[in-house]
Amino acid sequence: SSELTQDPAVSVALGQTVRITCQGDSLRSYYASWYQQKPGQAPVLVIYDENTRPSGIPDRFSGSSSGNIASLTITGAQAEDEADYYCNSRDTSGNLVIFGGGTQLSVL
Amino acid sequence: EVQLVQSGAEVKKPGESLKISCKGSGYSFSNYWIAWVRQMPGKGLEWMGIIYPGDSDTRYSPSFQGQVTISADKSISTAYLQWSSLKASDTAMYYCARHPRSYYDSTGYYVDYWGQGTLVTVSS
Repeated sequence: SSELTQDPAVSVALGQTVRITCQGDSLRSYYASWYQQKPGQAPVLVIYDENTRPSGIPDRFSGSSSGNIASLTITGAQAEDEADYYCNSRDTSGNLVIFGGGTQLSVL
Repeated sequence: EVQLVQSGAEVKKPGESLKISCKGSGYSFSNYWIAWVRQMPGKGLEWMGIIYPGDSDTRYSPSFQGQVTISADKSISTAYLQWSSLKASDTAMYYCARHPRSYYDSTGYYVDYWGQGTLVTVSS
């Protein structure tokens, strides 16, 4: 399979917890990574190797995986977390790199 | 500090050629893969391909194979993305990004640093 599927839009109340999911058969074999993109800016890596945060990323961001679903969880969402989030991994063959379609997160 | 600095915005006509660049600094450019990612207006991210500047090993997404050429000049720490004949549908933001592992590593894939993007507009 060459697809990673994300919900187009998700909303969360300020200070609450939100989970953004990414579904694809390749996630049974390959780690997911996650990127945050704010309007007019380049994407920023927030999680790699399923659950590792790069330096400088707040610890309210975490990653997990179960079966063919990878998840990005924001615990205590802040206004500045409002952005598009993309998952990224390989396809089932391992020869291609694919992105999910992106999830627009609104913080209410 | 790792930086990827891309060339400036371009406005071209259909049928024209174009080469955009991505200059790396703050690390050993030859030893890290550089990927190119397209983002069409209002759309998501699309992986185009990747190059290893050390030996110019290059891989393309089937969607972009034959449509673009990825190259690199390690002597000046610069990667390139080029078109021989642009189409209006090539209008997009193009990002370069660094992949910090071997592309052939089987664990997964991610990029850790991104360029600021180059906006390419193709219009008659």
